[in-house]
Amino acid sequence: QQQVKQSPQSLIVQKGGISIINCAYENTAFDYFPWYQQFPGKGPALLIAIRPDVSEKKEGRFTISFNKSAKQFSLHIMDSQPGDSATYFCAARSGNQGGKLIFGQGTELSVKP
Amino acid sequence: EADIYQTPRYLVIGTGKKITLECSQTMGHDKMYWYQQDPGMELHLIHYSYGVNSTEKGDLSSESTVSRIRTEHFPLTLESARPSHTSQYLCASSARDGLSGANVLTFGAGSRLTVL
Repeated sequence: QQQVKQSPQSLIVQKGGISIINCAYENTAFDYFPWYQQFPGKGPALLIAIRPDVSEKKEGRFTISFNKSAKQFSLHIMDSQPGDSATYFCAARSGNQGGKLIFGQGTELSVKP
Repeated sequence: EADIYQTPRYLVIGTGKKITLECSQTMGHDKMYWYQQDPGMELHLIHYSYGVNSTEKGDLSSESTVSRIRTEHFPLTLESARPSHTSQYLCASSARDGLSGANVLTFGAGSRLTVL
């Protein structure tokens, strides 16, 4: 049972374009939604995170949009660069499950020069 | 730069062998985790620990076992490896973020296991 569904599985964007990755969840007990970025040969690293009491969080070129009523959240990468090419994972944490993170399936982003 | 270390990075072994994947962190984190990452990129929690002498099974059933005798060390063992165990194994530890109050995971670079 996939608690966090992520799409698309892969994404190709031209340099300077906007990359958008979407995630949906069912468990209303989730209270923290991070995004992780993973480069080949490396472990995932925290990129940006949001709590459900805000609808948007921006850090540089990266923005999380959060829709609590629809139980959806998305990552937007503005002015995408080849160096952004990586695998991105959304995740969700349930406070009543000991704080464990549940990850989405991942999106492999390729930014073409 | 990495404060969490995994060894070996790559391991190719034959069926039936016993293997141990090592994970050490220097951050003093109480919580540690093992995730399995299959070729399709998905991350599944297989074991976690909230402190010394505390270990729990994760959401994905695994034939591996773990131990937590020291805070900084969280090894994963497979008594008899099989081809179905071929995967990437990621170790992580976490601490509570002062601003958000959430546990922020720090991952190691992973151990890629291939069982022939």
